[in-house]
Amino acid sequence: DAGVTQSPTHLIKTRGQQVTLRCSPKSGHDTVSWYQQALGQGPQFIFQYYEEEERQRGNFPDRFSGHQFPNYSSELNVNALLLGDSALYLCASSPWGRVAFGYTFGSGTRLTVV
Amino acid sequence: AQRVTQPEKLLSVFKGAPVELKCNYSYSGSPELFWYVQYSRQRLQLLLRHISRESIKGFTADLNKGETSFHLKKPFAQEEDSAMYYCALPGGGFGNEKLTFGTGTRLTIIP
Repeated sequence: DAGVTQSPTHLIKTRGQQVTLRCSPKSGHDTVSWYQQALGQGPQFIFQYYEEEERQRGNFPDRFSGHQFPNYSSELNVNALLLGDSALYLCASSPWGRVAFGYTFGSGTRLTVV
Repeated sequence: AQRVTQPEKLLSVFKGAPVELKCNYSYSGSPELFWYVQYSRQRLQLLLRHISRESIKGFTADLNKGETSFHLKKPFAQEEDSAMYYCALPGGGFGNEKLTFGTGTRLTIIP
């Protein structure tokens, strides 16, 4: 089992552009969460998807949107990129309702906005 | 609002010495807490959970509700313990599954 896989690993975008990040959850997991980790900070919750619906959302603007597919994989889209969006974006998966058992994290996508 | 505070950004400890990484939380209710660890060039991974009362790699953490703390401890540090450590608090309640992370403590074990 490859665990949680994210693509791409690195990405450079220009301010104002749009970006799509992808995540495949660990086998057996049906819930995907996205986190943003700025340099020197802990991960911050963006949103969570289960049954192809956004279930929870953190304090992020509408420029951040997502999607979950029937095979449980997920995309994170960010529109109108700002320099401040530069960060490591982490995907985490778990079985729904089992957060008390911990998430499995991917290795992340490093987004640089120039 | 729930909050997790890790007061030390950096902590250096000699090999064989005891380690304590501090975590304080703000939460109304009975919290479940985690410690996550990130070794160099590896992904963030779960180290231990409050609910399982376990010891992983010699680390333990005790929930102190009076002091709202969940400090991570190890009696004798090893060089392979050098890593970034994050304390995390789930939202609470079924379906509220977001994790609130602290800012992390970088632990360096001095040989």
